[in-house]
Amino acid sequence: DIQMTQSPSSLSASVGDRVTITCRASQSISSYLNWYQQKPGKAPELLIYASSTLQGGVPSRFGGSGSGTDFTLIISTLQPEDFATYYCQQSYTSPATFGQGTKLEIK
Amino acid sequence: EVQLVESGGGLVQPGGSLRLSCAASGFTFSSYWMHWVRQAPGKGLVWVSRINTDGISTIYADSMKGRFTISRDNAKNTLYLQMNSLRAEDTAVYYCARDLRAARVFDFWGQGTLVIVSS
Repeated sequence: DIQMTQSPSSLSASVGDRVTITCRASQSISSYLNWYQQKPGKAPELLIYASSTLQGGVPSRFGGSGSGTDFTLIISTLQPEDFATYYCQQSYTSPATFGQGTKLEIK
Repeated sequence: EVQLVESGGGLVQPGGSLRLSCAASGFTFSSYWMHWVRQAPGKGLVWVSRINTDGISTIYADSMKGRFTISRDNAKNTLYLQMNSLRAEDTAVYYCARDLRAARVFDFWGQGTLVIVSS
């Protein structure tokens, strides 16, 4: 199975900050990388797929990049509603695998 | 509006069985692959199983193979997960999720149903 490793595991930031979360795959996955946001007690929501394509309705402050093994999720200007846990997931091959999550907390 | 509503979770003893359901609405259910993904309390997301549009092709995570069975009834717009020989480590919230373009991208999720395996 392809292992997905996110960093950092947790992050404290303030409203208005620019935040970067990284995800590394244990082997090349081309651009088959997706990002999800999960708030406490809620189901995950798809933010970005195919490394950089924004899912419909997702604010443009979210952006994704990368290919091969290294990927980045950027939130350009943090809003209060962005404090959540973020997961990357590879869709290159089965089984689909997720990173361990990055918990974004308010500083 | 796309909706996925899971049901069937609860408390079950080790070795027991449970069947989860996921009722779909707001889209053409028979046109989409569907998945189950689970999340143990306080832990991350783990993919469980996938079924194709006509229910013929299924695939499972290794730790669920032989114990879990995914199925669907396109006439009832419902996805199922039959779970047998349950273990404590199967305790989790189970989500059903729709697949975007048969690409292992989960574009809509249900609210989840909690399964607790304990004596």
